[in-house]
Amino acid sequence: DVKVTQSSRYLVKRTGEKVFLECVQDMDHENMFWYRQDPGLGLRLIYFSYDVKMKEKGDIPEGYSVSREKKERFSLILESASTNQTSMYLCASSFTGARGEKLFFGSGTQLSVL
Amino acid sequence: TQLLEQSPQFLSIQEGENLTVYCNSSSVFSSLQWYRQEPGEGPVLLVTVVTGGEVKKLKRLTFQFGDARKDSSLHITAAQPGDTGLYLCAGVGGSQGNLIFGKGTKLSVKP
Repeated sequence: DVKVTQSSRYLVKRTGEKVFLECVQDMDHENMFWYRQDPGLGLRLIYFSYDVKMKEKGDIPEGYSVSREKKERFSLILESASTNQTSMYLCASSFTGARGEKLFFGSGTQLSVL
Repeated sequence: TQLLEQSPQFLSIQEGENLTVYCNSSSVFSSLQWYRQEPGEGPVLLVTVVTGGEVKKLKRLTFQFGDARKDSSLHITAAQPGDTGLYLCAGVGGSQGNLIFGKGTKLSVKP
C-alpha cells in the first residue's frame, strides 16, 4: 500500500516563526501536492510538484514556499507564520501526471499559529 | 473557473436510514472522483466515474454520474456508524489541470 507520511499530527507555533511541514511518500510517485483544509472552504491547493526540484503554484500560494530536493520528500515552508495560516494541512501524491489521477493523502498536520 | 457544489453540507441520520448526497456543476467533467475522509485522517478514494450515466456500486454505496457529466450522486443504503465522515467529490478543473474539490458533505450516522 502507498504510504504518505506527514511528520507531525499537531503543531503549535507563534506568529512570525518559520515553520516546516514535511511529507514523505514511499511509492516512487512523480507528483506531490500540498493542500490546506478549512471548515466551509474545502480543500485548496497551495503548491504542487511534478518532478524533483520542480514546483508550481496552486490556487493559494501566498505566504508559502516549497522544497523538493528528493523525489520522495516534499516540504511546505511558512516563512513567517501568521494566525490566518492556522489550518489542517494535507500532503498528497500521485503516480503520474495523468489528468484526474487518484490522489493518496497523508493523515494531515493540524497547525495552530498563536 | 469550474466549481463543484455539494449538498447537503451536513447530514445527521440514524443507523439503518438511507441517504443521498449530491455533487453538481455547470461545467462538464471528463470524470469525477468520490473520497471519504474519516475524522483525523486524510481523504481516501472510494470510486471514479468516467462515463455519462455510469453507475458504480461499492457494497452499500451507489455512485452515479449524470448523463451530461455535470453532476454525480452518492446513495448509501442502510447507513452504519462506520459510514460517518466527510464525503468529497473532485474533478479535473483547476487552471493547470489539477483536481478541484467540492466543499464536502459531513455525514454523521448515530447508532
